[in-house]
Amino acid sequence: DIQLTQSPSYVSASVGESVTITCRASEDISSSLVWYQQKPGHAPKLLIYSASTLQSGVSSRFSGSGSRREFTLTIVRLQPDDFASYFCQQFRSSPYTFGQGTRVEI
Amino acid sequence: QITLRESGPTVVKPAETVTLTCTFSGFSLTAPGEGVAWMRQAPGKAPEWLGMIYWDDDKRYSKSLRSRLTITRDISNHQVVLTVTNVGLDDRGTYFCAHSESGNTHGMWYVIRFASWGPGTPVTVSS
Repeated sequence: DIQLTQSPSYVSASVGESVTITCRASEDISSSLVWYQQKPGHAPKLLIYSASTLQSGVSSRFSGSGSRREFTLTIVRLQPDDFASYFCQQFRSSPYTFGQGTRVEI
Repeated sequence: QITLRESGPTVVKPAETVTLTCTFSGFSLTAPGEGVAWMRQAPGKAPEWLGMIYWDDDKRYSKSLRSRLTITRDISNHQVVLTVTNVGLDDRGTYFCAHSESGNTHGMWYVIRFASWGPGTPVTVSS
């Protein structure tokens, strides 16, 4: 199975600041990576697919980059609504594994 | 607009079988590229992909759970059913279904995204 390792597991930031989250894959997954935002009691919300394509309706303050084994999610100008958990998931091969998550807190 | 909603028992006894249903709308599960995936999430943990069913009725399962999972579909009722046998404490959590979209390049299909998810249904294991 392909392992995804996110870092950091937790980040503290203030409104208006920027945050970068990294997702490293145990093998080459090309650009087959997505990013989700999840708030307590809710389903994950797709932010980015194919490593860098912004999902329709998602704020342009979110951006994704990377390929092969290293990927990043960047959130600029943090808003109160952005404080949540973020997960990466790979679609290179089944099983479609998730990273362990990053919690962004104020 | 694509919507999905999970349903099923909230409490299951150990060693029993739990059957969860995902009722969807807004897409045809027989159209090329379409699929429905199942995930679960224990409190405070990352989601775990369990398996999925594709437009051609092909299925994929988590390797570690393969022997206990079955995914089937009811096209006429727009439903996908997940069955988990021999339930244990590790099966507790919220179960989600999601709409899967696949693309085709050079004749090969590959999953692109799970863009729409149901709200989830909680499952507790208790005698």
